[in-house]
Amino acid sequence: EAQVTQNPRYLITVTGKKLTVTCSQNMNHEYMSWYRQDPGLGLRQIYYSMNVEVTDKGDVPEGYKVSRKEKRNFPLILESPSPNQTSLYFCASSFLLGGTEAFFGQGTRLTVV
Amino acid sequence: GESVGLHLPTLSVQEGDNSIINCAYSNSASDYFIWYKQESGKGPQFIIDIRSNMDKRQGQRVTVLLNKTVKHLSLQIAATQPGDSAVYFCAENRDTGFQKLVFGTGTRLLVSP
Repeated sequence: EAQVTQNPRYLITVTGKKLTVTCSQNMNHEYMSWYRQDPGLGLRQIYYSMNVEVTDKGDVPEGYKVSRKEKRNFPLILESPSPNQTSLYFCASSFLLGGTEAFFGQGTRLTVV
Repeated sequence: GESVGLHLPTLSVQEGDNSIINCAYSNSASDYFIWYKQESGKGPQFIIDIRSNMDKRQGQRVTVLLNKTVKHLSLQIAATQPGDSAVYFCAENRDTGFQKLVFGTGTRLLVSP
C-alpha cells in the first residue's frame, strides 16, 4: 500500500530537549516536505527536499532542521524546541514534477511545555 | 479535537443536499490545483485535481470548477453524506517546473443527518 508514515503520532516534550520526528514513504518519490498546521493559518511549509542530499527552506523554517540521506526518509529535527513550536506536523511526498498529487502522513501532534 | 477547525469558515448542510465549497487563489501563474479532505485526526487526503487548461473536471460525486478570470476554484459535492463531514482545503501549484503547493486555510463542512 502506498503510504507516508510518520512517527510518533503524539509527543509531549519540554523546552530545549532535542527531538526528531521521522517520515518515510514507499512510493519512490523524489520530493518530500514538512508542514505545520495551526488554527486559522492552514498548512505552512517548513522545509522541502527535491532529492537525496538536496534540501531547502520553506516558508517557516526557523527552529527546524531536516536531512535527506536516503530517498525514502526525511526526518524533521527540533534541536531546541520552544512552546511556539507546539503544532500539528505533516510530512508529504510527491513526484518532483509540478502538477502531481502530494501524499500526506497521518500527522504528529507536538506539544512543547 | 482537531485544532485546525477553530477559526475556519463553516458550511452546514443537510444529508442529501449538494454542497459547494469555494476557494480563491492568489497567483495567476498557478497551473495546477488540488482539493484535499481532512478528517479529524487524519492527514489530508486527495479528492480531485484540475489543470489550468481545463475549467471543469468531474469525479465520483465531486466536481471541481476553475475560473481563471477571477482566480476562483470551487468543489461541488453531490448528495452530501455524513461521511463527507471534514475540513476541505484547496491547494495551488505556483511553480510550473516543480512542486510548490500552497494551501488555503480550509472550510469545515458539517453534514446533518
